[in-house]
Amino acid sequence: DAKTTQPTSMDCAEGRAANLPCNHSTISGNEYVYWYRQIHSQGPQYIIHGLKNNETNEMASLIITEDRKSSTLILPHATLRDTAVYYCIVRVKGGTTDSWGKLQFGAGTQVVVTP
Amino acid sequence: DAGITQSPRHKVTETGTPVTLRCHQTENHRYMYWYRQDPGHGLRLIHYSYGVKDTDKGEVSDGYSVSRSKTEDFLLTLESATSSQTSVYFCAISDGVAKNIQYFGAGTRLSVL
Repeated sequence: DAKTTQPTSMDCAEGRAANLPCNHSTISGNEYVYWYRQIHSQGPQYIIHGLKNNETNEMASLIITEDRKSSTLILPHATLRDTAVYYCIVRVKGGTTDSWGKLQFGAGTQVVVTP
Repeated sequence: DAGITQSPRHKVTETGTPVTLRCHQTENHRYMYWYRQDPGHGLRLIHYSYGVKDTDKGEVSDGYSVSRSKTEDFLLTLESATSSQTSVYFCAISDGVAKNIQYFGAGTRLSVL
């Protein structure tokens, strides 16, 4: 199972873009990259996911390098409510089908958005 | 929280007593998961279910059992609670198709004294 490496923490100024890097050099060809975040004392929240193309939704953009060994989550205009731990996850395969989709969470990146 | 209700939200119990946590969903999703979260360990999968009466172990299943008698409910039982099971427990659901996005409940904070 591919493992991910993220910085422990980073700060971002309110209103600026936050760029969160993630390394997943052992990712397999059919494994997706998922991003979740966890605001203090709440359950994790899905943000975005992708396979090899860049993706964008109302929350963020996901940029995956061509070799798929790393990715960057971009929060275009960070707000104080974006302060959270951000997890980069490569989907774990399970049993005879990967549709069970067990997620393996690492330590994540603590992002603090400051005024 | 995407139609997921965890109960109770907080519980304090004594070592050796049985405890059951409930996860109830209104999304009719096939897959359900129980995680625990502890400082220094992040979220770890305890058990999961891929259908009614179909369950399997996660990475930290010792001391826990689960049951799923209907689609909407997934129960986590600590047969004899220990202090090491003091944790925050999260339930998650997924429809299990290609996107396999998991939606999490608000969590249950359990203290075993």
